[in-house]
Amino acid sequence: DTAVSQTPKYLVTQMGNDKSIKCEQNLGHDTMYWYKQDSKKFLKIMFSYNNKELIINETVPNRFSPKSPDKAHLNLHINSLELGDSAVYFCASSQDTSGRGGDTQYFGPGTRLTVL
Amino acid sequence: AQSVTQLGSHVSVSEGALVLLRCNYSSSVPPYLFWYVQYPNQGLQLLLKYTSAATLVKGINGFEAEFKKSETSFHLTKPSAHMSDAAEYFCAVSDAGGYNKLIFGAGTRLAVHP
Repeated sequence: DTAVSQTPKYLVTQMGNDKSIKCEQNLGHDTMYWYKQDSKKFLKIMFSYNNKELIINETVPNRFSPKSPDKAHLNLHINSLELGDSAVYFCASSQDTSGRGGDTQYFGPGTRLTVL
Repeated sequence: AQSVTQLGSHVSVSEGALVLLRCNYSSSVPPYLFWYVQYPNQGLQLLLKYTSAATLVKGINGFEAEFKKSETSFHLTKPSAHMSDAAEYFCAVSDAGGYNKLIFGAGTRLAVHP
């Protein structure tokens, strides 16, 4: 059974379109994250939700909007896609509930977004 | 602000040789430190982590890392490289009160040749 799953695995789209990436975890974790990995493999956190509440919101354009319908799901919607949005987007989850840090984050397989 | 520096974007070793991947961190509070591995076209997998218990941490696949506060380092080692160790390795830091936010280094690509 896949612990953290993402759909789709690949997403190719035109500039200006709106797209969504879905993430689900079956680990019973309370906290979920979105990370962006650029073409140089650099990883940077975008958002984090704890029990459906947004707790981390890095300096990300407001074209990116995360939504957590329940604590097992965290989706990422991107409006008006730009060339610079091309990257691999990773979802992750952890059991961290206190914000104290140190908990292992479990990563999904990634979604490769290509904007043409 | 926290940061992580990984020295050497590419490291190449022979099969059976020692693997040493370097990581230095900057943190104003006691850090939590992690090493993750990423195989081609896959997500990240935890190798090991330091959370203020023993300074020498053993992980999966024969890897270990030593936390050295005086040197602000958390280098990853493996006594004998295997072909299957070829991958991208990331060092990361988080701190207490940071909502478990991971700050990653730029990564080190490990190549293992026969």
